[in-house]
Amino acid sequence: DAMVIQNPRYQVTQFGKPVTLSCSQTLNHNVMYWYQQKSSQAPKLLFHYYDKDFNNEADTPDNFQSRRPNTSFCFLDIRSPGLGDAAMYLCATSRGLGEIEQYFGPGTRLTVT
Amino acid sequence: GENVEQHPSTLSVQEGDSAVIKCTYSDSASNYFPWYKQELGKRPQLIIDIRSNVGEKKDQRIAVTLNKTAKHFSLHITETQPEDSAVYFCAALAAGTALIFGKGTTLSVSS
Repeated sequence: DAMVIQNPRYQVTQFGKPVTLSCSQTLNHNVMYWYQQKSSQAPKLLFHYYDKDFNNEADTPDNFQSRRPNTSFCFLDIRSPGLGDAAMYLCATSRGLGEIEQYFGPGTRLTVT
Repeated sequence: GENVEQHPSTLSVQEGDSAVIKCTYSDSASNYFPWYKQELGKRPQLIIDIRSNVGEKKDQRIAVTLNKTAKHFSLHITETQPEDSAVYFCAALAAGTALIFGKGTTLSVSS
């Protein structure tokens, strides 16, 4: 059973054209995360929501925004994608913060042309 | 902030051999150390984790050891099988901070 679902799995956008990636979860977890993973690199946390509280990592570019309209859904908005934003974007959830397992979605691979 | 170094970046073993992946961390406040396995084109999945009050943890063929003094922890896989082939990420977490991942180790198990 899918627990963390990401749509679409593959997304192609043009340079500078806004794009939105979607994540939903059936786990009823309090925390939702967005990671960026470039080829052969570690996942890098962009931001997370604890319930409705938004927490941005200090080095996340302003070009990246997020919305969490309800417990189940979280969106990643890239306002003006650049070629350097091409990557796999992973959504993850956890029951709480701290020493606890994070459940990852399958990811959305973003291509910027 | 926390920095996690992972070695080696690639590891090739024969089926049945053991594999060891090592990580070091910089923040002495880190207290949680998970290991994730990511098969090609799939999501990362937690395979084992260890907390700072424990020195070793084992789950069937997988074990993790932690040396807090030296600030390093290791993943040990015994009796490797082809399905163990994947990218393995270590990570470290200090209370109130984000999970910081190592750069990953690509493990190849040949039969």
